[in-house]
Amino acid sequence: KNQVEQSPQSLIILEGKNCTLQCNYTVSPFSNLRWYKQDTGRGPVSLTIMTFSENTKSNGRYTATLDADTKQSSLHITASQLSDSASYICVVSDAGGYNKLIFGAGTRLAVHP
Amino acid sequence: KAGVTQTPRYLIKTRGQQVTLSCSPISGHRSVSWYQQTPGQGLQFLFEYFSETQRNKGNFPGRFSGRQFSNSRSEMNVSTLELGDSALYLCASSPGQGSSYNEQFFGPGTRLTVL
Repeated sequence: KNQVEQSPQSLIILEGKNCTLQCNYTVSPFSNLRWYKQDTGRGPVSLTIMTFSENTKSNGRYTATLDADTKQSSLHITASQLSDSASYICVVSDAGGYNKLIFGAGTRLAVHP
Repeated sequence: KAGVTQTPRYLIKTRGQQVTLSCSPISGHRSVSWYQQTPGQGLQFLFEYFSETQRNKGNFPGRFSGRQFSNSRSEMNVSTLELGDSALYLCASSPGQGSSYNEQFFGPGTRLTVL
């Protein structure tokens, strides 16, 4: 069964600190992996998209890594800001269908001053 | 370029009623996907339309249906509403051509509450 699992479920950090969120997937065949940021009550916003041939991709203070062999990805947030408080969702696209995405449950991040 | 818009933003219905949600994709995008988001189940894929045809479908009952018009705008209908249908319904658009690499852009969602 195609699944995406994220950890931790929730995380609290202090402003200015770094953190890393994890994503493991069992989706096959694999097409690409995406990280989204979702503020409360709003639609998700894409942070990064990576295919199996890409190991790392950055978007400002966000850096995603992908290990297609172990089927693991991580999202690293550097020098966190209060505005980083949100849910971060790992999404894997299976190559079997256009735009068919399998979503992780998300990690809820709270950045405190 | 305007983003994805969804109407209405909030909706309250009672069990047994039906509801229609609307989504206008980004100009030029031909693919529209619908998702249901609940605290317990997270985001789940409902269906995807491309050029007025349903191209992909998730594992939802037949009470959930959709359609896409020639201008790419899409509607989603839920009939015989149940309490468990209370959720945030998200629409996402993408150019839709070529591989599944195409990035999806999400709308703000419609918050449906079933009483």
